[in-house]
Order: sequence, then structure tokens, then C-alpha cells
Amino acid sequence: KAGVTQTPRYLIKTRGQQVTLSCSPISGHRSVSWYQQTPGQGLQFLFEYFSETQRNKGNFPGRFSGRQFSNSRSEMNVSTLELGDSALYLCASSQFGGQVGNTEAFFGQGTRLTVV
Amino acid sequence: KQEVTQIPAALSVPEGENLVLNCSFTDSAIYNLQWFRQDPGKGLTSLLLIQSSQREQTSGRLNASLDKSSGRSTLYIAASQPGDSATYLCAVGDTGKLIFGQGTTLQVKP
Repeated sequence: KAGVTQTPRYLIKTRGQQVTLSCSPISGHRSVSWYQQTPGQGLQFLFEYFSETQRNKGNFPGRFSGRQFSNSRSEMNVSTLELGDSALYLCASSQFGGQVGNTEAFFGQGTRLTVV
Repeated sequence: KQEVTQIPAALSVPEGENLVLNCSFTDSAIYNLQWFRQDPGKGLTSLLLIQSSQREQTSGRLNASLDKSSGRSTLYIAASQPGDSATYLCAVGDTGKLIFGQGTTLQVKP
């Protein structure tokens, strides 16, 4: 069974640009969550999608957005990039999401975004 | 607001030693607790998932316990090996998200 796939693995962008990251969950999983990991703040929750609907959102500015497609694949978009957006962005896949028991989360390898 | 703390932040032990990593959380209303391993620059690998109704889970040399009433979880690693060197993260399952601790970076010396 294939794991969670994130593309691309590495990105270098300039301040002010926008970027789109992609996540393909494990087959049969309907919940996709996104996290930002930085040395200073650790892992912080961005948002969660379930059956194409955003169910939960973390405390990030509106420049961070996402969507989920009918095949459960998800994309995350960051507009007007800032230096502080440099981070490892991780996607997690689970069958039902955190509101149902026995929902183990599986993570992808992440996308390393560097903003210069 | 749920807060998750992991102590110690870093740990160095000789190979073969048994060790315990600690995780504490402030709100006992959790769905589950999950332990992860992260190698440098990589994603997270799930180690163990404990449901809120469970007390412990075991996988190979790993054993994780959960005490919701005291807001604590421990990850016990038996007979540590250099390959166990990594950062270990605990995360509590909240409504629709995981809340992570800052992690414990473990170094096992040959």
C-alpha cells in the first residue's frame, strides 16, 4: 500500500511569489491535514480537509489556503510569500480524521520550502 | 487550550540502555495520543497510537502508556540501539487536529 506522497520535495521561492504544494493520501483515506514545522514553533496545525470540505483551521493568516479534490488529493497554497514562511510543510492522511477514534495519522516526507 | 510538553528536550545514552521519554498534556479530553519518530529533514513515522480508552500499546521494543487523569504518557524504549537515534514527538488528538510537543532528540551512542 503506497504511503502519503508530497510533491515537490524541495522548493525555493522569492518573497511575494505564491506556491502550491500537493499531497496524495493513502488510498481509502478521506482526511488530509497540513502542518507547518519550523525550528522555533515546532509543528503547527494549518487545516484539515475531509470529503472536499475544510473541517478545521489553525491560526494562520488568510494567505494560507487549501483544497481537497474528489479523489482526496489535497493542495495547499501560500500567496504573497514571506521569509517567515520558510519551513517544512507536512501532510497527514487518516481514514476519518481526529474526530473519530482509532484514526492513526500517517505523514508524508514533507515539502521543504525556502523563501529568499 | 491544550498544551503538550515533552521532557527532556535532548537525551544521550549508551547503546543497550532502557530509556523513558515523557509527554504531558494539560487537557485530559483527548481522542487519542500518538508517538512519532522523525529523522533529520524527513517526515514523521508513526510508532504507536493509544486510544483514549486504552492504557498502553506495545510494538516490538517500544511500549507507550497513557494516563489521562494525570495528563501523562511515556514511551519506553528497551535495549536502545544507534538506529533509534532520532527526534521523538508525541501528539494528542484534539478535534480534527493533532497537537504536538516540541519533541525529545535522542542520541544512542555505540
